[in-house]
Amino acid sequence: EVQLVESGGGLVEPGGSLRLSCAASGFAFNTYWMHWVRQAPGKGLVWVSHVNTDGSTTTYADSVRGRFTISRDNAKNTLYLQMNSLRDEDTAVYFCAREKVTTDYWGQGTPVTVSS
Amino acid sequence: DIVMTQSPDSLAVSLGERATINCKSRQSVLSNNKNYLAWFQHKRGQPPKLLIYWASTRESGVPDRFSGSGSGTDFTLTISSLQAEDVAVYYCQQYHTSPYTFGQGTKVEIK
Repeated sequence: EVQLVESGGGLVEPGGSLRLSCAASGFAFNTYWMHWVRQAPGKGLVWVSHVNTDGSTTTYADSVRGRFTISRDNAKNTLYLQMNSLRDEDTAVYFCAREKVTTDYWGQGTPVTVSS
Repeated sequence: DIVMTQSPDSLAVSLGERATINCKSRQSVLSNNKNYLAWFQHKRGQPPKLLIYWASTRESGVPDRFSGSGSGTDFTLTISSLQAEDVAVYYCQQYHTSPYTFGQGTKVEIK
């Protein structure tokens, strides 16, 4: 069974940092592109970033480029999102998702709150 | 970025009746005879669920009352006979060009 389990969310002050993790199981993690997507309270889904199978190619939404870094450890079957210089508007539930054609399996999400 | 616009923002449909959601992209998402357009169902407290990809291909396990159509810039998700468990927010997504943009969502409720 495909499972994606996010962790690392929490409350952080503006300007702070967090690292999210997404533990994958039930599939060949190293053969899939992986994504982060977020949903702010009361808002819709917004794509954040994706990474190719070996981590050599990454893409970011304009709103996070230069502040967030996506990476993966295929030996640990884990996807990461390093978030720096956090802003109020980064408050959201962050989902990791696997790509097969497009994002087919999603985790339950981890909430991030940026507030002083 | 490819802007995706859904209509309506919300709709209320009686049980057993048809629900139709539209999605328009600002530029074509058709390449190599494939439309890079997906539909997701998102229920509160759950992760989004992929329903349709390539505009009209139903994901495994998705009931056949869900269907997708359209090409180029105009797409439709149809729920042929609304069931109580279909109450959710539905999103279209283009995966033709990074960033993979979503529509704003359409909330479907029971009338």
